[in-house]
Amino acid sequence: AQSVTQLDSQVPVFEEAPVELRCNYSSSVSVYLFWYVQYPNQGLQLLLKYLSGSTLVKGINGFEAEFNKSQTSFHLRKPSVHISDTAEYFCAVSALKAAGNKLTFGGGTRVLVKP
Amino acid sequence: GAGVSQSPSNKVTEKGKDVELRCDPISGHTALYWYRQSLGQGLEFLIYFQGNSAPDKSGLPSDRFSAERTGGSVSTLTIQRTQQEDSAVYLCASMQGGGWTGELFFGEGSRLTVL
Repeated sequence: AQSVTQLDSQVPVFEEAPVELRCNYSSSVSVYLFWYVQYPNQGLQLLLKYLSGSTLVKGINGFEAEFNKSQTSFHLRKPSVHISDTAEYFCAVSALKAAGNKLTFGGGTRVLVKP
Repeated sequence: GAGVSQSPSNKVTEKGKDVELRCDPISGHTALYWYRQSLGQGLEFLIYFQGNSAPDKSGLPSDRFSAERTGGSVSTLTIQRTQQEDSAVYLCASMQGGGWTGELFFGEGSRLTVL
């Protein structure tokens, strides 16, 4: 089984400042990793994903994440946030050979961007 | 439709009543997932359908919960004899066939309140 821990439940940040959202996972097998974003009153949407290849993954809206296998982490970063980045961010993991390939999500991190 | 559609968007019911939540996935998507999002919690996997295969029901919390998917399209999640702890947002997501990508397309959810 897999589990995901998002260490920060809330992250306040000023506009144009950098932000890092932490995600650590636990799994006995190799995994795929994801970040999803949920804007207010909207459904979740995929921000970026790591399936294989380069450990630095770039996503939409200027976000990027780095897969660190030794530290079992997949932290999300953005060098300069905008007000529109206010949302809840979910890290998720799926085992490479899991039947059904369901995603296991973390508890989410609420990002509040202040002017 | 263009996206995943869920109904009702809000449902208030009395303890002990049965409820049905509907999900209409994106046309052509062969995989369908149900998740539950409780206040302050992450997303909890409930059930997964893939084509004509037997569903993965491993996340259903009790035998009061059931789901079906008719004709490989619309899905209904049924909760019998609702309890207050069933109050949550129930999210449906679909994924296209032709190879697993990990990109789930979520609906906006059905918010269930059990009084």
